[in-house]
Amino acid sequence: DTAVSQTPKYLVTQMGNDKSIKCEQNLGHDTMYWYKQDSKKFLKIMFSYNNKELIINETVPNRFSPKSPDKAHLNLHINSLELGDSAVYFCASSQGPGHNYGYTFGSGTRLTVV
Amino acid sequence: QKEVEQNSGPLSVPEGAIASLNCTYSDRGSQSFFWYRQYSGKSPELIMSIYSNGDKEDGRFTAQLNKASQYVSLLIRDSQPSDSATYLCAVLNYGGSQGNLIFGKGTKLSVKP
Repeated sequence: DTAVSQTPKYLVTQMGNDKSIKCEQNLGHDTMYWYKQDSKKFLKIMFSYNNKELIINETVPNRFSPKSPDKAHLNLHINSLELGDSAVYFCASSQGPGHNYGYTFGSGTRLTVV
Repeated sequence: QKEVEQNSGPLSVPEGAIASLNCTYSDRGSQSFFWYRQYSGKSPELIMSIYSNGDKEDGRFTAQLNKASQYVSLLIRDSQPSDSATYLCAVLNYGGSQGNLIFGKGTKLSVKP
């Protein structure tokens, strides 16, 4: 049973399109995150939700809009996709925002914008 | 800007040797530290966490923390080719009700048979 699942795994789309990535966790965690990993493998926080409430919103273009319908789900919608958005997007969850047990990551969504 | 620094490598060690991976962090108030392993094309996987100064051992892995020097390391004993991966150091950035892991850029480890 997958703990943190993301769909789709791969996404290839043209510039200017709008796309969404979905994430679900069955760990009972309160906090979920979106991270972006660029071509140099650098993982950077984008957003964090705690119990459906947005608590971290890093310097991300407002073309990116997260949404958490409940604490087990966190989706990411991207408008007007650009070449520079190509990356792997990871969803993760933890028991709480300051929790010491680390994060559980989903398998990632590889987004390629052409 | 809170930062986590790692040598990007690649670090190449022969099979059976000890691999030593190092990490420094900028925020002196940091309390929680993690090592993740990431195989190519896969997601990061938590392998060790450490919160107190000193050593913490788990099987072939030993994490070391020195808060005075703002330094974390990971030792892998009896390295195996299956240990070949990128190792990410992460530091918990927590204040008020907000928290997130800040990652280093990772060290790529290659274990040669």
